[in-house]
Amino acid sequence: GIQVEQSPPDLILQEGANSTLRCNFSDSVNNLQWFHQNPWGQLINLFYIPSGTKQNGRLSATTVATERYSLLYISSSQTTDSGVYFCAVVGSESNYQLIWGAGTKLIIKP
Amino acid sequence: SQTIHQWPATLVQPVGSPLSLECTVEGTSNPNLYWYRQAAGRGLQLLFYSVGIGQISSEVPQNLSASRPQDRQFILSSKKLLLSDSGFYLCAWMVNTEAFFGQGTRLTVV
Repeated sequence: GIQVEQSPPDLILQEGANSTLRCNFSDSVNNLQWFHQNPWGQLINLFYIPSGTKQNGRLSATTVATERYSLLYISSSQTTDSGVYFCAVVGSESNYQLIWGAGTKLIIKP
Repeated sequence: SQTIHQWPATLVQPVGSPLSLECTVEGTSNPNLYWYRQAAGRGLQLLFYSVGIGQISSEVPQNLSASRPQDRQFILSSKKLLLSDSGFYLCAWMVNTEAFFGQGTRLTVV
């Protein structure tokens, strides 16, 4: 099955810094989503991005499907950006199951 | 717009007691529905998914069961809870390969 790898596993930054999170996947996908899990456990949809580039405020994401990776950019980090960022994909052979990366734990220090 | 309701938010139950967690979706029809569990500091584990009323698929053998009595209702149950059932339970729905999550139930079995 598809393998999803995220890097780095942990990231500690000062408030105001920029960061790039990476998601590699091993096979073609029908969907790729980025989620932010806040300290209370809630999973928040950031981007639905099987290909191309999207931006939402300080966050943007790019997926290069032909090279099987996606990047999540966070600019001017704030303490509320802390949490775990997950990448999840739906493989082209299965439209029902999300395959998850292990996540990147981001800590933004004031 | 589509919304997903999951309750309760927190639950403390004694070992051997029954469990019933409910999830309902609004604003969409015939969604794929999912139950996930997340242990502390770890990724999401798919427990059950359903592609239609009365259709349940189990991904992991365990002490839990799921039912879908109505199109937009998904229930997670147990007859007798074990200590190992403690965790954070998340309900999700998916339409056109895009997934959305409920706020989660933090279950502690004591």
